[in-house]
Amino acid sequence: NAGVTQTPKFQVLKTGQSMTLQCAQDMNHNSMYWYRQDPGMGLRLIYYSASEGTTDKGEVPNGYNVSRLNKREFSLRLESAAPSQTSVYFCASSQQGEGTEAFFGQGTRLTVV
Amino acid sequence: QKEVEQNSGPLSVPEGAIASLNCTYSDRGSQSFFWYRQYSGKSPELIMFIYSNGDKEDGRFTAQLNKASQYVSLLIRDSQPSDSATYLCAVHRGSYIPTFGRGTSLIVHP
Repeated sequence: NAGVTQTPKFQVLKTGQSMTLQCAQDMNHNSMYWYRQDPGMGLRLIYYSASEGTTDKGEVPNGYNVSRLNKREFSLRLESAAPSQTSVYFCASSQQGEGTEAFFGQGTRLTVV
Repeated sequence: QKEVEQNSGPLSVPEGAIASLNCTYSDRGSQSFFWYRQYSGKSPELIMFIYSNGDKEDGRFTAQLNKASQYVSLLIRDSQPSDSATYLCAVHRGSYIPTFGRGTSLIVHP
């Protein structure tokens, strides 16, 4: 049981390049999330998907797009990377309903130079 | 003001002591409260959750909730060096979406 799997683990991009972070979960969860974590800022929600076919903006969506490809997969795309997007990105999933635990992927450390 | 507030620390305690980690939240409608532990370079993992006012104990960990004061805490008894990590408070604001505080860094020194 892999849980939440993210790829890649590390990535260096040049300013203006694009890339897609992949996330897949095998727990049959309805809800999936993308967070970024910066020193001193905690986890900030970028986008989330309540269920297959729906996506919504979180706290810091600018510069990002997402796709909920199916129930298992939720990808995050940077169309034109900027140094301000240097961060650690976490994908997470949970079952819907009040008080359910979020399960996290191992994270992607992205550096934009 | 962030919706979920934590002191960033670091909180330094000696081995064997009680570590007390605190979290306040702004939305009175919040229903569910979670504590996650995050080791350096790793992803967060759930330690405790609490829904009702009062205390909830699980081994060396106790979560305390006071909804009237909008305050939730985590006590770690008999702290060990392996407890050294960042502790993230998360709140569900009437939905399933967790909102996280910035985390408190805990250092347990031998």
